[in-house]
Amino acid sequence: DTAVSQTPKYLVTQMGNDKSIKCEQNLGHDTMYWYKQDSKKFLKIMFSYNNKELIINETVPNRFSPKSPDKAHLNLHINSLELGDSAVYFCASSLGRSGANVLTFGAGSRLTVL
Amino acid sequence: KNQVEQSPQSLIILEGKNCTLQCNYTVSPFSNLRWYKQDTGRGPVSLTIMTFSENTKSNGRYTATLDADTKQSSLHITASQLSDSASYICVVSSNTGFQKLVFGTGTRLLVSP
Repeated sequence: DTAVSQTPKYLVTQMGNDKSIKCEQNLGHDTMYWYKQDSKKFLKIMFSYNNKELIINETVPNRFSPKSPDKAHLNLHINSLELGDSAVYFCASSLGRSGANVLTFGAGSRLTVL
Repeated sequence: KNQVEQSPQSLIILEGKNCTLQCNYTVSPFSNLRWYKQDTGRGPVSLTIMTFSENTKSNGRYTATLDADTKQSSLHITASQLSDSASYICVVSSNTGFQKLVFGTGTRLLVSP
């Protein structure tokens, strides 16, 4: 199946731990994104990479570090997790970085910090 | 400030009925407006995308309208089905050259048998 795949789907961890969420797309897209969806269901952009180059970096704590080994992968590493990091994180991809392009989203990774 | 507001926040309708969801935005400059459907526990899926010059677009039983003058959009669902139960998110793209999207908080629709 052609899709955006995220792992893990669920992640429960203690405050202070470091964790990673992986994302892969096989759609042939060249731009990938990480979004955070909070408890109010509001989606907010965190990062965007185009051909492994960081193009959007919103106001996100530097405990969050994205890594794009190639244009089909964009992983998110989070250091020193805090309670407020609990949310659903969505990976997405598109062909091109223009605002006219449609995003394809992954199914989300629900992170719970205890 | 770029904002997208949706109404109602939630809606319950009987199966087979029609409904209309509203979206007002203040995003400028404007590039396009999208409606996404998000099923529980899933990622958003694109329903329609409209540019400045388009004022209506259909995707099956979903019809989106856009009034760029009043900065309003609506999503009309015809002959609702149980599978239409989901959150519907209005998203506006700002014409900055990058994929800068402003998301609404969504309308939660429940279709009841």
